[in-house]
Amino acid sequence: AQKVTQTQTSISVVEKTTVTMDCVYETRDSSYFLFWYKQTASGEIVFLIRQDSYKKENATVGHYSLNFQKPKSSIGLIITATQIEDSAVYFCAMREGSNNNAPRFGAGTKLSVKP
Amino acid sequence: EAAVTQSPRSKVAVTGGKVTLSCHQTNNHDYMYWYRQDTGHGLRLIHYSYVADSTEKGDIPDGYKASRPSQENFSLILELASLSQTAVYFCASSDAAGGSAETLYFGSGTRLTVL
Repeated sequence: AQKVTQTQTSISVVEKTTVTMDCVYETRDSSYFLFWYKQTASGEIVFLIRQDSYKKENATVGHYSLNFQKPKSSIGLIITATQIEDSAVYFCAMREGSNNNAPRFGAGTKLSVKP
Repeated sequence: EAAVTQSPRSKVAVTGGKVTLSCHQTNNHDYMYWYRQDTGHGLRLIHYSYVADSTEKGDIPDGYKASRPSQENFSLILELASLSQTAVYFCASSDAAGGSAETLYFGSGTRLTVL
């Protein structure tokens, strides 16, 4: 069965610094897709970035990037030059590549960015 | 922009009563999902569907039924609501075009309180 684990419950950083959020996953599929989502204070959940298991290059979108370590089943989210508005809850998710399944999510990490 | 609309936004129900949460999407997405959010548990998958008139059980289906009468609509039904079902419920949808690689679009959530 697939499983996603985020062990960091909360992180606090100073604005303009870099933060890394951890995520490990379990799957028996050789093909899978990894995602990070952001939940704002209003409750809205939006997609940020994704990594396909067959790609070796780490994905980057804006000031978000991923640290994909396949042998360790790890997909860390890196936010550089953090801003106050990055304060949110961040969820890691995985979807196995076999047909007709659904993504599973981790418990989330609450990020607080302070001036 | 994908649009997923949930109704109601919030609801107070009595123990033992029947509750129906509705979800409507306007983007021709094949997949629809129901997740539950509780503090410390992240998003947990209740039911999902990849085609109209068919639903699949997720990780925590007990006490919940799902109905997908059309591509656009997906309902979550609590036949006998219980205190433990107090939570925020999120509906999401995704396209099948890219298979498992497709990202999720979330609704705004329904806050359910069972008294």
